[in-house]
Amino acid sequence: GQQLNQSPQSMFIQEGEDVSMNCTSSSIFNTWLWYKQDPGEGPVLLIALYKAGELTSNGRLTAQFGITRKDSFLNISASIPSDVGIYFCAGPRNAGGTSYGKLTFGQGTILTVHP
Amino acid sequence: DVKVTQSSRYLVKRTGEKVFLECVQDMDHENMFWYRQDPGLGLRLIYFSYDVKMKEKGDIPEGYSVSREKKERFSLILESASTNQTSMYLCASSPGFLRGVVAGAIGELFFGEGSRLTVL
Repeated sequence: GQQLNQSPQSMFIQEGEDVSMNCTSSSIFNTWLWYKQDPGEGPVLLIALYKAGELTSNGRLTAQFGITRKDSFLNISASIPSDVGIYFCAGPRNAGGTSYGKLTFGQGTILTVHP
Repeated sequence: DVKVTQSSRYLVKRTGEKVFLECVQDMDHENMFWYRQDPGLGLRLIYFSYDVKMKEKGDIPEGYSVSREKKERFSLILESASTNQTSMYLCASSPGFLRGVVAGAIGELFFGEGSRLTVL
């Protein structure tokens, strides 16, 4: 089945540093999604990418849909303490559509920001 | 705002007990999901439902069942809880495909806060 591999598994950074994480797959995805889970909460969608090569920003967050459609990247600039949490990449189950919204999730990247 | 509410944030149960996890959404979404979250494994789909009384197995359905009698409510049932079912359980909802396309939000799931289950 489709699998998403996220790296790194965890990151410990100082406030103000930039962060990069990525997600790769052996299968093609037509949509890439990045979610963030705050401690004690459910995941919330940060950014959605629908087109190969697309670069999308949401405040200090920037995500890119890889040209091969098999990878995606998330960057956070000038990190702050509230960036702490788990970041998940996700993609629809079947390459051709949303399959009723069923998603495959990566293992997650745990981000810790030291003040 | 979309709200997905899970009935219990924390539960402690004993091995062999029957466990009900309830989830209610207020956005008239067609799709509802139950995921399990474990460290290093991400979110794994247990079951999902695309309509009332309709359900489909996800990746790890063994030991679980679900019920969707009303559109807004999706229940996860552990018939006989075991220690390896100790985990965080996340409920989510999303609009059906066509509504998602119209909203420009394909793939967006709305999650509840999670229910942390400990089975002793």
